[in-house]
Amino acid sequence: QKEVEQDPGPLSVPEGAIVSLNCTYSNSAFQYFMWYRQYSRKGPELLMYTYSSGNKEDGRFTAQVDKSSKYISLFIRDSQPSDSATYLCAMSPSGTYKYIFGTGTRLKVLA
Amino acid sequence: EADIYQTPRYLVIGTGKKITLECSQTMGHDKMYWYQQDPGMELHLIHYSYGVNSTEKGDLSSESTVSRIRTEHFPLTLESARPSHTSQYLCASSATGGNTEAFFGQGTRLTVV
Repeated sequence: QKEVEQDPGPLSVPEGAIVSLNCTYSNSAFQYFMWYRQYSRKGPELLMYTYSSGNKEDGRFTAQVDKSSKYISLFIRDSQPSDSATYLCAMSPSGTYKYIFGTGTRLKVLA
Repeated sequence: EADIYQTPRYLVIGTGKKITLECSQTMGHDKMYWYQQDPGMELHLIHYSYGVNSTEKGDLSSESTVSRIRTEHFPLTLESARPSHTSQYLCASSATGGNTEAFFGQGTRLTVV
C-alpha cells in the first residue's frame, strides 16, 4: 500500500464549479501538508502549505487537514479554465528531509 | 515565484553520452533535491543534499551522481545515458530550520534515443 493515495482523475467540471481534490495517507507521523499545481511540461508550483490539522484559505483555494481521518482536501471555488492542471498533494514528517507525493489528480475546467 | 532554475528544459541525446543537468537557486536554501517524474506516477526522490559537500541517495535507485560544491548549485550527471533514463527530472530546494515547503524548478525533460 502506498503511503499517500490520490485519485488520478481526470476530473472534468464546468467553469464556476466548486472542485474538491483529496488525498489519504497512512503515516500518522506526517505533520506538514502541501498542495502543488503542475501545468503540462512545467514544474510543480506550490499552492498551499499547512501544518497539522485545520483549515487554511488563500483566495479561491482552501486546504483542509483532518489528521484523525488521515485525510486532506483542497477546495477550489469559482473554478476557471486556467485552473486546468494536475494537482499534487505532498506531505512530510517532522524533522526529516522527506516529502511524499501523491500521483496527482488531473483537473479539466470546461469553459 | 520560486527562484530556482533548471537547464536545459528539453534534451534529446544518444545512448552512451555523458550529460549534466543544471540546477541553481537564488533563495539561499540549504536543502536541495532531485526528483524523477514519469507520467501518472508520483515524484520519486533520487538525490538530496543538506548543504555544501553533503549529498545522499534518495529512495529511488539511480545511476546518476550529484555534487554540491556551492550552496546555490546542485548539478546531476549521467555518465552514460540509456533509453531507460528517459524521464522528467525536477530539482527542488527548501529552507533549513524545521520542515518547510519545497520549491521546484521547471524541470528537464530528457529523452535518450
